[in-house]
Amino acid sequence: AQTVTQSQPEMSVQEAETVTLSCTYDTSESDYYLFWYKQPPSRQMILVIRQEAYKQQNATENRFSVNFQKAAKSFSLKISDSQLGDAAMYFCAYHEGNTPLVFGKGTRLSVIA
Amino acid sequence: GAVVSQHPSRVICKSGTSVKIECRSLDFQATTMFWYRQFPKQSLMLMATSNEGSKATYEQGVEKDKFLINHASLTLSTLTVTSAHPEDSSFYICSAREDTSYGYTFGSGTRLTVV
Repeated sequence: AQTVTQSQPEMSVQEAETVTLSCTYDTSESDYYLFWYKQPPSRQMILVIRQEAYKQQNATENRFSVNFQKAAKSFSLKISDSQLGDAAMYFCAYHEGNTPLVFGKGTRLSVIA
Repeated sequence: GAVVSQHPSRVICKSGTSVKIECRSLDFQATTMFWYRQFPKQSLMLMATSNEGSKATYEQGVEKDKFLINHASLTLSTLTVTSAHPEDSSFYICSAREDTSYGYTFGSGTRLTVV
């Protein structure tokens, strides 16, 4: 079964600085999707960014970008110019075909003013 | 974008009673919906996959007779927690898939407290 590993239970970053959250996954498939979801204290799951495995170019959404290393099965999230509103739980997730999302255990990000 | 409405957001019930949670896709048809459970400071745990017009598929360890799932239409899936007990207290989240290339849309969740 596919697994997603987030090795950083907690991270902190100074406001306006950059932070990188790590994620690795295990799969034997070649076609799949990867996601980063944000879960603020409201607990609403918010899609931050997604990456299709067949695309070599790293996805970018404003201050959020990923470093997708397919051979290494690594999918890290970089948050630039961190803001107080970025404080949340961040979940890395994997999906292929018709299967449900597989989530990592999450990383709690704190932003220090 | 796609919106999934989940109700109620909070519910308190007495032990032994049943509680129904609704999940509606507002602007798209969801042939598949997923139900998750999340304990404090933990990740989402998939409970079951709900397919419109057919029986739900439950994950190992999830009691299908306790967590009844009905997906009678392309826009509505319900989760009924039967004979609820305090250990069923948790945060329940639904998710719907319209187009796999756009990921999954989540409901806002239901905080269930059984007293």
